[in-house]
This record gives sequence, structure tokens and C-alpha cells, in this order.
Amino acid sequence: KNQVEQSPQSLIILEGKNCTLQCNYTVSPFSNLRWYKQDTGRGPVSLTIMTFSENTKSNGRYTATLDADTKQSSLHITASQLSDSASYICVVSDRGSTLGRLYFGRGTQLTVWP
Amino acid sequence: EADIYQTPRYLVIGTGKKITLECSQTMGHDKMYWYQQDPGMELHLIHYSYGVNSTEKGDLSSESTVSRIRTEHFPLTLESARPSHTSQYLCASSLLSTEAFFGQGTRLTVV
Repeated sequence: KNQVEQSPQSLIILEGKNCTLQCNYTVSPFSNLRWYKQDTGRGPVSLTIMTFSENTKSNGRYTATLDADTKQSSLHITASQLSDSASYICVVSDRGSTLGRLYFGRGTQLTVWP
Repeated sequence: EADIYQTPRYLVIGTGKKITLECSQTMGHDKMYWYQQDPGMELHLIHYSYGVNSTEKGDLSSESTVSRIRTEHFPLTLESARPSHTSQYLCASSLLSTEAFFGQGTRLTVV
């Protein structure tokens, strides 16, 4: 069964600190993995998208890693800001169908305190 | 910024009413999706479309229906709203298997 598991479920950090969010998946055949940021009551916004051959991709203070062998990804946030408080969702797409189905994790709820 | 729009953003409606949630995108994407998301929970796919006149049900059973008469428009209809339909509904579109762009969502409350 294709699944995406994220950890931790929630995380509280102080402003300025770094943190790392984890994503493990069993989706096969793998197409790509995306990290989205979802503010409360809003739609998800893409942070990064990684294909099979990519190990690391950065977007400002966000750095995503992908290990396609172990089917693990992480999202590292450096020098956190209050505006980073949001849910971070890992989404994996398969290539076994014309749809390119998206499989969503439950998200990690990040809270940044001043 | 993604050009995908949902209306209304918020809707409070009585039980038994018929409602249509609107979703439009101006990017020319063939694929469009409707997701349902309860607070703190993951997104569940309820409908998707490959293109005009193509609609399919998703993973989560839903009493809603969709139509795709035009590429840019993918409305979702509930013939008779119930309190169990209270949720956030997110529309998304994508080109092939690349990045999906999401609308801001419609938060529906059925009283």
C-alpha cells in the first residue's frame, strides 16, 4: 500500500533555531517528492520538488534531502522565523498511472515561538 | 504566484441545501483535483479530472459530484448538504506529473 509517513507530528522551536522534519514513504514506482507549506486555513504552497536523481535541493532557508534507496526525505529549516509556523506536508507522486497520483503525509505542525 | 482560484472562501449553509464550490485556473492545466481536509488531518482526494469531459472519483468516498466542461473550470456540487460535509475543500491543478498548485480553499460549515 502506498503510504507517506511524517514525523514528528508536531514541533515547537524557538525563533532563530534550526529544525529537521522527516518523511518516509512506500510509494512505488516513485516519480517525485514535494514539500509543501500550509498556513492555517490556506491552501498548500510548494517549497521544493525532487526527482529520483536529486539528493538535495534548497529554497532559501529550506533545504530538502532525498534518499531514494531508503525512501526517506527530510526538510531542514535554518534560522527559523515566526512566519515559519505552519503545517509542512510531504507529498509523493507515483509514475504508475497517467494521473501521477499524489500521496499526502499528515504533515508536521511547526510552531515557532519568539 | 499560482493562478488558481476558489470561491467562496467561507460558506455556512443549512442542512439540505444544494451548493456548488467553484474552482478556476488560468494556467491551462489539464489535470485538476478536489481534496477534502479536516483540521489537523491529511488531504484526501475526492475527485480528479484528466481533462475536459473526464472525471473520476478519488480515494475518499464523497457524496459530491464534479463536472469538467471547460479546461479552466472544475466545480464541485453537493445536492443536499449535511453536517458531515463540514470540512475544508481544496482544489488543485497540475500539468502532467509536475507540481500541483492549490487554491486557497473553501471552508464549508453545514448547520
